Amino acid sequence: KAGVTQTPRYLIKTRGQQVTLSCSPISGHRSVSWYQQTPGQGLQFLFEYFSETQRNKGNFPGRFSGRQFSNSRSEMNVSTLELGDSALYLCASSLAAGVAGELFFGEGSRLTVL
Amino acid sequence: KNEVEQSPQNLTAQEGEFITINCSYSVGISALHWLQQHPGGGIVSLFMLSSGKKKHGRLIATINIQEKHSSLHITASHPRDSAVYICAAFTSGTYKYIFGTGTRLKVLA
Repeated sequence: KAGVTQTPRYLIKTRGQQVTLSCSPISGHRSVSWYQQTPGQGLQFLFEYFSETQRNKGNFPGRFSGRQFSNSRSEMNVSTLELGDSALYLCASSLAAGVAGELFFGEGSRLTVL
Repeated sequence: KNEVEQSPQNLTAQEGEFITINCSYSVGISALHWLQQHPGGGIVSLFMLSSGKKKHGRLIATINIQEKHSSLHITASHPRDSAVYICAAFTSGTYKYIFGTGTRLKVLA
């Protein structure tokens, strides 16, 4: 069974640009959640998608957005990048949303904003 | 004060030692995860607990719902246990994960 796949693994952008990250969940998993990890703030919840609908979101500005497709693959987008957006972005897939369940994480996308 | 607190932040142990990492939370939860993160970033879920105790190999996790406290124990630690361990509380009101700041464990041979 293939794991959670995130692409790209590494990317470098400059301030003001936008970036799109992709996450393919484990086959059969319909929930995808996104997290930001920085040395200063640790892991923080961004948002969760289930059946193409955002079911929950964390406390991030509107520059952070996401979507989920009918095959459960998800993308997140960050517009007008700031230096503070440099982070490891992780996604996790699970069977259901809104309940505590086993989480399967991808390897992450490491974003550097210059 | 963070809603999920972990201690210690850093821990160095000799191979074979018994290790305990603690997690306290101040919010209502329906479950708590213990996660392991190796250098490079990938995270593995070790345990999900809503009550009592779970054991997997040399790892033991316990939770006391009344005291809002969970512990992760590693028996007979090994250098391959070197990683960052993170507790994640699934809140019962807002259905989100709140994470501890992590414990960086280094086990010396």
